[in-house]
Amino acid sequence: QSVLTQPPSVSAAPGQRVTISCSGGKSDIGNNYVSWYQQLPETAPKLLIYDNNKRPSGIPDRFSASKSGTSATLGIIGLQTGDEAYYYCQVWDDSLNGRVFGGGTKLTVL
Amino acid sequence: QGYLVQSGAEVKKPGASVRVSCKASGFTFTKYGFTWVRQAPGQGLEWMGYISPFSGTTNYAQRLQGGLTMTTDTSTNTVYMELRSLRPDDTAVYYCVRVDSDAFDIWGQGTMVTVSS
Repeated sequence: QSVLTQPPSVSAAPGQRVTISCSGGKSDIGNNYVSWYQQLPETAPKLLIYDNNKRPSGIPDRFSASKSGTSATLGIIGLQTGDEAYYYCQVWDDSLNGRVFGGGTKLTVL
Repeated sequence: QGYLVQSGAEVKKPGASVRVSCKASGFTFTKYGFTWVRQAPGQGLEWMGYISPFSGTTNYAQRLQGGLTMTTDTSTNTVYMELRSLRPDDTAVYYCVRVDSDAFDIWGQGTMVTVSS
């Protein structure tokens, strides 16, 4: 069981907007940078967001993220069927002295 | 951009050890850290540990300490992960990942390790 809590699944129609939450505590999200990863079926995860809200080159601006207190949120607008994937948040945990991932959220584009 | 190419699938018996390699190319090896992440079938991602090729510093997940060793070879730009005393629940895909500050920005293709009698 992860110290970071994500909803198991979210869904929305093509073209719509969806948000995925990642809830933690003071020792992880509350004090460190959050990153987000997308894992398409049968592929390795890919970095989507780092340092709470920065996009690597090549990631479209349809993807955004924010952090407030001990929670973080990933937002995707203009949903496409190709966005169907698992999404994971990740952060350093001061208490564990290591990194932790959220349990992952499966996005379904209906 | 850079690439990480991992060694091939492994099948091991319980109690055995496994070593997975990860060869880096396309960037300066010693400027970055590396981490290993594993994913059991149908499960989420689990962080295993970190190593800096520059300093040799390692940091392992608490639940894996004692059974996990990460090393690097700067002459071949290769990272190694050795897991000992394997159990069936160590069956997973193991990913080698480049770390740039807090970002896991380049992932290897993954190596399937199966532990079965």
